[in-house]
Amino acid sequence: GQQVMQIPQYQHVQEGEDFTTYCNSSTTLSNIQWYKQRPGGHPVFLIQLVKSGEVKKQKRLTFQFGEAKKNSSLHITATQTTDVGTYFCAGNNNAGNMLTFGGGTRLMVKP
Amino acid sequence: DSGVTQTPKHLITATGQRVTLRCSPRSGDLSVYWYQQSLDQGLQFLIQYYNGEERAKGNILERFSAQQFPDLHSELNLSSLELGDSALYFCASTLGGGPTDTQYFGPGTRLTVL
Repeated sequence: GQQVMQIPQYQHVQEGEDFTTYCNSSTTLSNIQWYKQRPGGHPVFLIQLVKSGEVKKQKRLTFQFGEAKKNSSLHITATQTTDVGTYFCAGNNNAGNMLTFGGGTRLMVKP
Repeated sequence: DSGVTQTPKHLITATGQRVTLRCSPRSGDLSVYWYQQSLDQGLQFLIQYYNGEERAKGNILERFSAQQFPDLHSELNLSSLELGDSALYFCASTLGGGPTDTQYFGPGTRLTVL
């Protein structure tokens, strides 16, 4: 079945440093979504990427979808303590009607 | 607030017991997804319903079952509970039930099996 892997599993950064999480799929994806889960909270939708090579920005967050549509990344510039949480990617390969979530990257930011 | 409600917030029970978790989707959403999140783990997809019908099945144990009612709320039934079933259970709703829809997650039910 489809597998979506995320690395790293954990990341500690100093406030102000950049952060990147990577998402890799075993199959070509038709679309990928990113979610953020704050500690003690529930996942909240951030963005969806559909096109090969697509890049989208939300303030300090930059999302990329690979040319082959098998990988994606989320980059945060100059992290803040409010960025703390777990970031999940979720992809669909059109073989099923569901998103497969990656294991998530837990980001911790030291003030 | 996502507009998705889940009850109860917390549930503590013993091994061998049966519990029911409830989810009400956002107004207008027709599809409900159930996920299990164990401690420091990712989201494991369990099952999806769309307008009352089962649409997709993930890694759902035979001891678990779900349904979606005519008013579109959904219930997840967990029986013969084991210690390893302790987890956060989330439901999410979407408008159309397709994989490009945004999933709106509820606050979750934390199940503790003692």
